[in-house]
Amino acid sequence: NAGVTQTPKFQVLKTGQSMTLQCAQDMNHNSMYWYRQDPGMGLRLIYYSASEGTTDKGEVPNGYNVSRLNKREFSLRLESAAPSQTSVYFCASSEAPQKNTEAFFGQGTRLTVV
Amino acid sequence: AQSVTQLDSHVSVSEGTPVLLRCNYSSSYSPSLFWYVQHPNKGLQLLLKYTSAATLVKGINGFEAEFKKSETSFHLTKPSAHMSDAAEYFCVVSDRGTGGGNKLTFGTGTQLKVEL
Repeated sequence: NAGVTQTPKFQVLKTGQSMTLQCAQDMNHNSMYWYRQDPGMGLRLIYYSASEGTTDKGEVPNGYNVSRLNKREFSLRLESAAPSQTSVYFCASSEAPQKNTEAFFGQGTRLTVV
Repeated sequence: AQSVTQLDSHVSVSEGTPVLLRCNYSSSYSPSLFWYVQHPNKGLQLLLKYTSAATLVKGINGFEAEFKKSETSFHLTKPSAHMSDAAEYFCVVSDRGTGGGNKLTFGTGTQLKVEL
């Protein structure tokens, strides 16, 4: 079972370039999330989608946009990359929006902006 | 607003000795709580979760955690550490977001080191 698949795994961008991080899940989950992980700060929520057709801002949405393409896929776009967006990005999904459902995580995308 | 405080950024134990990773939470409602583990350069794996059933929760690999509402704590323990337990551990609180989603708020993590 693939679970949550993120592409690419590694990326180096120049300041001002744009890119889209892709995420797909094969567990028929309703909710999907994008987090960034920075040393000493844990994971911070960028955007989430409680169900297909909805998206909402998380804790650190500035500089990012998202698209819930269908139930399986949730992409994260950096329109004009900045060095402050150097981070490890994780996509996650959960079965339902209820609070007691755990999230399943992808393997992460390590992004460096130079 | 919900929040999580992991009281130790680094914990070092000897193999075979007990492990205690401390977590305190703040939530407006009755939350769900989770512990995740992250091995180097890997994704996050669920260790255990509390969802208002039994207050003592057993997870994988011999870990367990006790929910104490009066202390707003959810500490992670293991009776005997193994070298393979060396990893970063995250305490997570969950509540409903404004958009109806299942918002997970992460602590800053505790790096567990296990020495021979």
